[in-house]
Amino acid sequence: GAGVSQSPSNKVTEKGKDVELRCDPISGHTALYWYRQRLGQGLEFLIYFQGNSAPDKSGLPSDRFSAERTGESVSTLTIQRTQQEDSAVYLCASSLSRTSGMTYEQYFGPGTRLTVT
Amino acid sequence: RKEVEQDPGPFNVPEGATVAFNCTYSNSASQSFFWYRQDCRKEPKLLMSVYSSGNEDGRFTAQLNRASQYISLLIRDSKLSDSATYLCVAVYAGKSTFGDGTTLTVKP
Repeated sequence: GAGVSQSPSNKVTEKGKDVELRCDPISGHTALYWYRQRLGQGLEFLIYFQGNSAPDKSGLPSDRFSAERTGESVSTLTIQRTQQEDSAVYLCASSLSRTSGMTYEQYFGPGTRLTVT
Repeated sequence: RKEVEQDPGPFNVPEGATVAFNCTYSNSASQSFFWYRQDCRKEPKLLMSVYSSGNEDGRFTAQLNRASQYISLLIRDSKLSDSATYLCVAVYAGKSTFGDGTTLTVKP
């Protein structure tokens, strides 16, 4: 079946502009995650959704970052007033719902490569 | 100190070698653990889950030591196609913390 998809695959924007990144999770996956990966570095957790609510927003780097999810499906990550340090690959992942004490594996989308000039 | 730490490597091994990676985690309440592999400029892909009793999948064996708070991945009979970065993950309350990865290069 279809995997996680993300759009756009590449985005070049000028410093100070807002950008919106989209993630379509695997159908039936109610958990959705956003990560940031700078060149040559590891994955940095940003935010996690269970259904449409976000129990953990602790990873959002600043108030310029926000995310929402609707219909337990599509999610958007918005970065306002972009800065050069926001340049990175933004990865989305989805998984089945967590059950008590059990977390299911995450499936990643191909990412959006954001370049802020 | 990072929550999940890995030796970044690189590990350069010949084909057929056995190689082991370790990963330590600081949150003793971590509930689930995984190994992912990530090829250059690609998204991470699940390699295997890590169970308390240890588990094996073909040439790959994963172990968890809760007392010492580390997980390990053993790759036997390395193939050229095993060249990648291997990421360990510790999960607590839905939040996944990834290590920065260990880079493996298998050479002919």
